[in-house]
Amino acid sequence: KAGVTQTPRYLIKTRGQQVTLSCSPISGHRSVSWYQQTPGQGLQFLFEYFSETQRNKGNFPGRFSGRQFSNSRSEMNVSTLELGDSALYLCASSLATVNEQFFGPGTRLTVL
Amino acid sequence: AQSVAQPEDQVNVAEGNPLTVKCTYSVSGNPYLFWYVQYPNRGLQFLLKYITGDNLVKGSYGFEAEFNKSQTSFHLKKPSALVSDSALYFCAVRDNTGGFKTIFGAGTRLFVKA
Repeated sequence: KAGVTQTPRYLIKTRGQQVTLSCSPISGHRSVSWYQQTPGQGLQFLFEYFSETQRNKGNFPGRFSGRQFSNSRSEMNVSTLELGDSALYLCASSLATVNEQFFGPGTRLTVL
Repeated sequence: AQSVAQPEDQVNVAEGNPLTVKCTYSVSGNPYLFWYVQYPNRGLQFLLKYITGDNLVKGSYGFEAEFNKSQTSFHLKKPSALVSDSALYFCAVRDNTGGFKTIFGAGTRLFVKA
């Protein structure tokens, strides 16, 4: 079974731009979560989707948004980029609430 | 609100010695608890989980963890450390009341010295 894939793997943007990151979960997984990982803050929960519905959202500004498609693929968007948005963005999929999450390799976003 | 604490930023242990990485949690309902490991230049990998049942759970690579409800802890253990165990370890908690989010601890870096 193919693992969780994320595209692109690396991204360089400038302040004020917007970015869209993509995640394809493991086949059959309907839950997709997004996290921001930085050296100082660790893994911060962004949001979780299940069957195209956002079930929960972390404490991030409205510039961070996401969606999930009918095939469970998910995208997250960050508008009006700030220097502090530079981070590794991780996507994880799971079968259900009780199950462990499988993580993708991440997208490393650098904002200049 | 859910929270996870990993009180040690770093744990140092000699190869062959037992290791413990500590984790305490706070959650409103019954917890689902997980340990993940992140090796350098590799993604996060699942190690083990506690959902219900036996308080001692066994996972990958010889790791185990003990769920202690009264102390709200879920410490990760291994009887004999290997140099290859050196990595960043994350404890995570998910409540079973429909919160639908997994909260991760800050991580503990484990160094195993030969």
